[in-house]
Amino acid sequence: AQKVTQAQTEISVVEKEDVTLDCVYETRDTTYYLFWYKQPPSGELVFLIRRNSFDEQNEISGRYSWNFQKSTSSFNFTITASQVVDSAVYFCALSEDLGKLIFGTGTRLQVFP
Amino acid sequence: NAGVTQTPKFQVLKTGQSMTLQCAQDMNHEYMSWYRQDPGMGLRLIHYSVGAGITDQGEVPNGYNVSRSTTEDFPLRLLSAAPSQTSVYFCASSRQGATGELFFGEGSRLTVL
Repeated sequence: AQKVTQAQTEISVVEKEDVTLDCVYETRDTTYYLFWYKQPPSGELVFLIRRNSFDEQNEISGRYSWNFQKSTSSFNFTITASQVVDSAVYFCALSEDLGKLIFGTGTRLQVFP
Repeated sequence: NAGVTQTPKFQVLKTGQSMTLQCAQDMNHEYMSWYRQDPGMGLRLIHYSVGAGITDQGEVPNGYNVSRSTTEDFPLRLLSAAPSQTSVYFCASSRQGATGELFFGEGSRLTVL
């Protein structure tokens, strides 16, 4: 069965610090997709990244980077030089098929000035 | 571009009342889904649809009904509201099913007294 674990409930950092949000997943399929979504205080859900199980290359987008490791079933998200605007709840999610996307419980990141 | 539109944004019900949360998308996406978000629980899938006339259950379907008569609309019905259904509800759509980027509505906050 699918499962996504985000063990960090809440993280607080000071601006300009680097922060890594952990995501561990469980799946029996060899083909699956992993996602990160951001939910800022305003409440909307914003897509950040999608990665399929056959692409283990790390990805960098500006201050954001993602480290996908199949060997440890992890898809961690790092924010470099965090900013106050990064304060949000971040969700990791997993899909094995066209029907169900399962989310983790989220990590609340607070970045203080 | 409207994207995914949910109505109403806020609703207060009494136990036992029924209501329908409306969801419409104008992106011609085949896939639509409903999630509920509760503190500490993340987003949990209620029902989903991979196309008009096709619906299926997610993780927490009890107490909710859906139908998909058109590609654009995917209403969520609460037949007899219970306090446990107090939550924030999100509708989402995708071009590639649950393996693609989800576009979310702004959410509907429901309180059941």
